[in-house]
This record gives sequence, structure tokens and C-alpha cells, in this order.
Amino acid sequence: DTAVSQTPKYLVTQMGNDKSIKCEQNLGHDTMYWYKQDSKKFLKIMFSYNNKELIINETVPNRFSPKSPDKAHLNLHINSLELGDSAVYFCASSRGTGPGYGYTFGSGTRLTVV
Amino acid sequence: GENVEQHPSTLSVQEGDSAVIKCTYSDSASNYFPWYKQELGKRPQLIIDIRSNVGEKKDQRIAVTLNKTAKHFSLHITETQPEDSAVYFCAASSGNNRLAFGKGNQVVVIP
Repeated sequence: DTAVSQTPKYLVTQMGNDKSIKCEQNLGHDTMYWYKQDSKKFLKIMFSYNNKELIINETVPNRFSPKSPDKAHLNLHINSLELGDSAVYFCASSRGTGPGYGYTFGSGTRLTVV
Repeated sequence: GENVEQHPSTLSVQEGDSAVIKCTYSDSASNYFPWYKQELGKRPQLIIDIRSNVGEKKDQRIAVTLNKTAKHFSLHITETQPEDSAVYFCAASSGNNRLAFGKGNQVVVIP
């Protein structure tokens, strides 16, 4: 029973298309995140939601729009995809926003824009 | 914001030897320091963490030490095995649970 699940696992699409990635966690955590991992393995935070409320919104193009319909789900919609969007996108969750709560990561979505 | 530096970027060790990865952080208010292991093609997984009120924590073959004065913390892996080969990330958090990650360290254990 996967704790943090993401779909799809792989996504290959053409430039200019719009795509969505979905994430669900069954851990009862209050906080969820989207991270982008580039080809150099660097993990960069994009967004965070706590109980459906956006709490972290890093400098990300507005082509990226997160949505959290409830605290167990966090989706990421990307408009007008560009080559530079190719990366692995990880969803993560944690019990709260206070110090000391480790993240549980999903298995990642490898996005390739051609 | 917090800036976490991690070095060396690549570390090769003979099986059975020890490996040490060091990280420095910039925000003296940071109080939580987790380490994540990412095997090839897999998700990062939490392997050990330490809070700022503790100087050292050990879990079987892995240990983490924290020097708050110098603002650095280290991961120690003893008796390395081939399955320890992975990318290791350190991170630091200063209370809003925004984890700032280091750039990762590729550890290669040579059989």
C-alpha cells in the first residue's frame, strides 16, 4: 500500500502541450509539496500546501499551477510545456509544518518534453 | 533563505571502509537536519535525522553528527556495502518545514 503515489510515472509530450501530474498520500499528513529534480539531481522546492492552503510558492513560472482539492491530494498542472521543463517531479508529504517532520516522497514523475 | 552546501560531490570507497559526507548551512536558526538516500531511479528516502538539541545520533551503521557552532553536520557510514551506493542529500529546516537540500553526494562503494 503505497504511502505517497504519483501518476503518471513517465510522461513524454511535445512542446506547447498542457499536462497534469497527480499525487495522493494515505499517511494522514497535513502538508504536501512539489519538488523538481533536474538532470544534476538538484532538488528544488516549487510549492507546498498545508491543509489545502498554499504556503510555499517559489519563483516558478506561472505556467505551473498546483491544486489541492483536499489535504490528501496535490496536483500539478503545467501549461505550454517547454524543453526546460524536462525533469523528475517529486511529490512529498509531511505530518506538519513545524520543525522535525521528515518528508515522505512519492516515486516521481519523469517528464520529457520533446 | 537557508543555503546548504554539501561536499564532496562524489565519493568512492572500498567495501568495508567508512564514508563521511559533510554539509554546511547558513541559517543559525535551522534546527532540523535530515539525510536522504536516493538510489538510481528511485525516490529519496529518509535514512536518519537530527535535531539541534542533540550532537550525535546513531542507527546501526549510519550516524550523524552536528556542530551548531560551526554550522556543519556530517553523515558517517561504517562498514560500507555495495547497497550503500546511492546519492545522499543533506537538508536543513528552520521551523517552517521548508527543507533546503544540498546538491547531493554520489557515493560509490567498490566491491
